[in-house]
Amino acid sequence: DAKTTQPTSMDCAEGRAANLPCNHSTISGNEYVYWYRQIHSQGPQYIIHGLKNNETNEMASLIITEDRKSSTLILPHATLRDTAVYYCIVRVGGDYKLSFGAGTTVTVRA
Amino acid sequence: ETGVTQTPRHLVMGMTNKKSLKCEQHLGHNAMYWYKQSAKKPLELMFVYSLEERVENNSVPSRFSPECPNSSHLFLHLHTLQPEDSALYLCASSLEGGPHTDTQYFGPGTRLTVL
Repeated sequence: DAKTTQPTSMDCAEGRAANLPCNHSTISGNEYVYWYRQIHSQGPQYIIHGLKNNETNEMASLIITEDRKSSTLILPHATLRDTAVYYCIVRVGGDYKLSFGAGTTVTVRA
Repeated sequence: ETGVTQTPRHLVMGMTNKKSLKCEQHLGHNAMYWYKQSAKKPLELMFVYSLEERVENNSVPSRFSPECPNSSHLFLHLHTLQPEDSALYLCASSLEGGPHTDTQYFGPGTRLTVL
């Protein structure tokens, strides 16, 4: 699996959009970009994933650059409950392994 | 609520005890996973079951013994554990069949403390 690089931490204001960057410059053509988050001492929660196109669901939007070497997760209106560690993961579809790195600790402040 | 439940949520055991962790998924999935998350460390994949057959065992010590009696249930049997085995044990499940269906969904975890 390709390695990802994320900022260690970031703060954002409640009610504002939170933009979480991820670099994956060695991503292969058959690797998907996945985002999970983990609220303290809970199981990871799936957020969204994509291959080439931008994706949106009820939780977030995923913007993938045209060269696929980086992506941004957008939480449109951050709330205090969005405070968590966010993980950007790349994996081949069908591969069992999810390689969780250190992630980005996001703190939403009132 | 992800559709994956784990019991117990907390467990304290001595090094000579035998205990079991249980995972149940209500999503109609056909693959199940055990992960370990130690303090300040990334998640580590321990075991994978696909269609009730073990397909991956990542050099896990024999004091951890998985069991998958059917596609909805997964157990992790524990015996003669060490204090360093204290961690959050996470179960996940997925539906094999393609990159848009094999997303892993996690349970809430069992916080294990070995004394």
